[in-house]
Formats: sequence, C-alpha cells, structure tokens
Amino acid sequence: DAGVIQSPRHEVTEMGQEVTLRCKPISGHNSLFWYRQTMMRGLELLIYFNNNVPIDDSGMPEDRFSAKMPNASFSTLKIQPSEPRDSAVYFCASDRGHGANVLTFGAGSRLTVL
Amino acid sequence: KNQVEQSPQSLIILEGKNCTLQCNYTVSPFSNLRWYKQDTGRGPVSLTIMTFSENTKSNGRYTATLDADTKQSSLHITASQLSDSASYICVVETDRGSTLGRLYFGRGTQLTVWP
Repeated sequence: DAGVIQSPRHEVTEMGQEVTLRCKPISGHNSLFWYRQTMMRGLELLIYFNNNVPIDDSGMPEDRFSAKMPNASFSTLKIQPSEPRDSAVYFCASDRGHGANVLTFGAGSRLTVL
Repeated sequence: KNQVEQSPQSLIILEGKNCTLQCNYTVSPFSNLRWYKQDTGRGPVSLTIMTFSENTKSNGRYTATLDADTKQSSLHITASQLSDSASYICVVETDRGSTLGRLYFGRGTQLTVWP
C-alpha cells in the first residue's frame, strides 16, 4: 500500500487566494482526519470523517475552511480566502475507524501564505 | 479539560545512551494511548498503542509504559542512535463510540542524539 497520499507537498500563495489540499486515504480505512501543525500549537484536529460523513468539525477555525469527502478514496481541505496565519503544515491521516488501531499520517502539505 | 502534557520539551543525549520521555494526561473516558515519532519534514509514525489493560509494550529499542491509575505514560529509548533524533508525540484517544470520541495530542518532546 502506498500509504496516505497528500498533494501538494508544498504550496506558496498570496493572501486572499483559494487553497485546496488533497488527500487519498489508505484503501479500506473508514476514518479520515485533517490536522494542522504549527510550532506554536502543535498538532490540532480540524475535522474528521467516518464513512465519508463529517463527525467532528469543531476544530475548523472559521468559515474560510471547508472539507469534503465525496467518496471513500478522496478528501479535500479548502481555504478561501487564505490568510498569512493559515501558514502551517496540514496533515491527512486515516484509520479503520474502530478499536485501537494505527492512525497513519500522510507526509503533509506545507502551506505558506504571503 | 482533556489535556496531554509532555516533558521535557526538548532533550539532548549522546549516542548510545538511554533516555525516558514522560506523558501525563487528563483525558477521559480513556480508550488508548499512543506514542508517535515524527522526523523533521515527515508525518508522525506510530511506535506503540496501549489500551487500559496494558502497562508495557515494546517496539525494538522503544518501550512504552502506562499507569492508567495515575494517568501517566513513559517512552524509554535504549541505546540511542542518531536516527532517533525526532519529535516524540504522546496521543490519547477517548472512546470513539461516544459522540466526543477523538484523539488528544501532546506538544511533543524534541529529542536530539549527538554522536
């Protein structure tokens, strides 16, 4: 298995632009998570899906952030409009959705908003 | 409030030495505790997962302990290697069956191993 695949690995954009981050979870994993990591706050959960349904989006900072999971093999995290304070590494992770199983992370998408 | 606290924040040791990282949590209801290793520029990778009934688990030179009564865990690294230089993150999961089931992350301990 290729693991959790994220794209792009790096994104540099200007304030006000739309940013779309993409994630392909491991096949057979029912839960998908989006995290944001910064030096100041560490890893923060933004949203997680179970069987393509959003379960907990309490970590989504504000209406500028949105996430979708149209099918079991694809998810997007969109920021519109982007702001400099959104600069961070965004991780996608997946697991089987039940029991004490391994949460597998992607390599992350490093976002820089100028 | 559900929290995970790790100590020390950073640690420098010489290659070949042992070290122990600490994790205290207040997360409830408890489901499991995980230790992750995150190399620079990479995503976290799972080292161990322990449920309530497990008090120790090893993965090669890594040994994790769990005291569910005092809500403490430790990660012991034996005979450290340069490749052990990374951030080690303690994560506690609540019962995913509840509507609030989720993972709580510590801020991590940054370990540097010097030759």
